Amino acid sequence: GEKVEQHESTLSVREGDSAVINCTYTDTASSYFPWYKQEAGKSLHFVIDIRSNVDRKQSQRLIVLLDKKAKRFSLHITATQPEDSAIYFCAASANSNNRIFFGDGTQLVVKP
Amino acid sequence: NAGVIQTPRHKVTGKGQEATLWCEPISGHSAVFWYRQTIVQGLEFLTYFRNQAPIDDSGMPKERFSAQMPNQSHSTLKIQSTQPQDSAVYLCASSLDGGDTGQLYFGEGSKLTVL
Repeated sequence: GEKVEQHESTLSVREGDSAVINCTYTDTASSYFPWYKQEAGKSLHFVIDIRSNVDRKQSQRLIVLLDKKAKRFSLHITATQPEDSAIYFCAASANSNNRIFFGDGTQLVVKP
Repeated sequence: NAGVIQTPRHKVTGKGQEATLWCEPISGHSAVFWYRQTIVQGLEFLTYFRNQAPIDDSGMPKERFSAQMPNQSHSTLKIQSTQPQDSAVYLCASSLDGGDTGQLYFGEGSKLTVL
């Protein structure tokens, strides 16, 4: 089955800098790549997604890039703020089975 | 819209006892997912229903875990003969169309502690 790997387990940046979280996947059939955020003591909530028919998507300060050839996708958070501090999970899903496979999460710390 | 509701939020059981966790998906959502989250294993997929029918239970430990969705407004996850390694936060999520076409809305989770 699909295996999603997040390369950074922790990431620390200064407020105002950009943060980049990288993920890879194994199943070429995967076509949907969502990102979720989990703040301390809370559950996951959706932040942004990208589908395989595009290679870039932006929503305010969040940019997702997808490289299908390399089976790699990344989340870029620009102009980071302390409230961006959280665990970010990347995920992948193929149309065939609707199951979403999650990475292990990246702890992002934004220092004031 | 109250979101996905999970009860109980916290449950403590003794080893060998049974635990039942409940999930009320967002009204109108057709898919319900159960995940388990621990520090060591991360987010583990357990099972998934669409329109109340079980679609994929490949993540469920076969012997002691069972899940049902008797109607569109709730799903249950039952763990028999609980073991300390079952201690985790159990997350329920619902979505409109299923995991490949729409976002998941997660509940706050049920934290199970098995002593």
